[in-house]
Amino acid sequence: DVKVTQSSRYLVKRTGEKVFLECVQDMDHENMFWYRQDPGLGLRLIYFSYDVKMKEKGDIPEGYSVSREKKERFSLILESASTNQTSMYLCASIQGGGGRNEQFFGPGTRLTVL
Amino acid sequence: DQQVKQNSPSLSVQEGRISILNCDYTNSMFDYFLWYKKYPAEGPTFLISISSIKDKNEDGRFTVFLNKSAKHLSLHIVPSQPGDSAVYFCAACSSEGAQKLVFGQGTRLTINP
Repeated sequence: DVKVTQSSRYLVKRTGEKVFLECVQDMDHENMFWYRQDPGLGLRLIYFSYDVKMKEKGDIPEGYSVSREKKERFSLILESASTNQTSMYLCASIQGGGGRNEQFFGPGTRLTVL
Repeated sequence: DQQVKQNSPSLSVQEGRISILNCDYTNSMFDYFLWYKKYPAEGPTFLISISSIKDKNEDGRFTVFLNKSAKHLSLHIVPSQPGDSAVYFCAACSSEGAQKLVFGQGTRLTINP
């Protein structure tokens, strides 16, 4: 089974702090994604990556950056956390090359910014 | 603009009956559609999918119907069970979209005993 793990299930940070959210997948997937989930808005794509050191902006990249130094690890960085970044953050991965498009998700990190 | 819409935020169904969740999309380039199920404090899990070359796909109690002309898909759960209570997300992608999924807002399904 594919396993996607996220470093923290719950996180509380203060406004202005730099926040790192880590995601690791164990199936050698090429593509990885970061989403945030908010009530009434569904899942919105923040950033994604097709390969090591490659990244592309999603629909809501403002206030975020990402890092992919190793194939299995994809990090989301909040440079200066703000209260409107309080949300559930979900990481996902999928094998590249087209075909089936079922992304596998991690358990999520519930981030609260005070 | 919301390219994938789930217009019902919530749905309540009696155990044993059919649950029907609906989803509409606007982008004609979408050619693959998925349903995910999400429990609180967990990540979404894949449920069932359908390619645009089909109009129906069935997996046990779950069936997805696709109406391309109406840009509409639906998920049928028969019979509904208490464990089906969750939030259901519809998602869509295009073969040109590099496996990027566009999600709807979600529908919270509650199965009543």
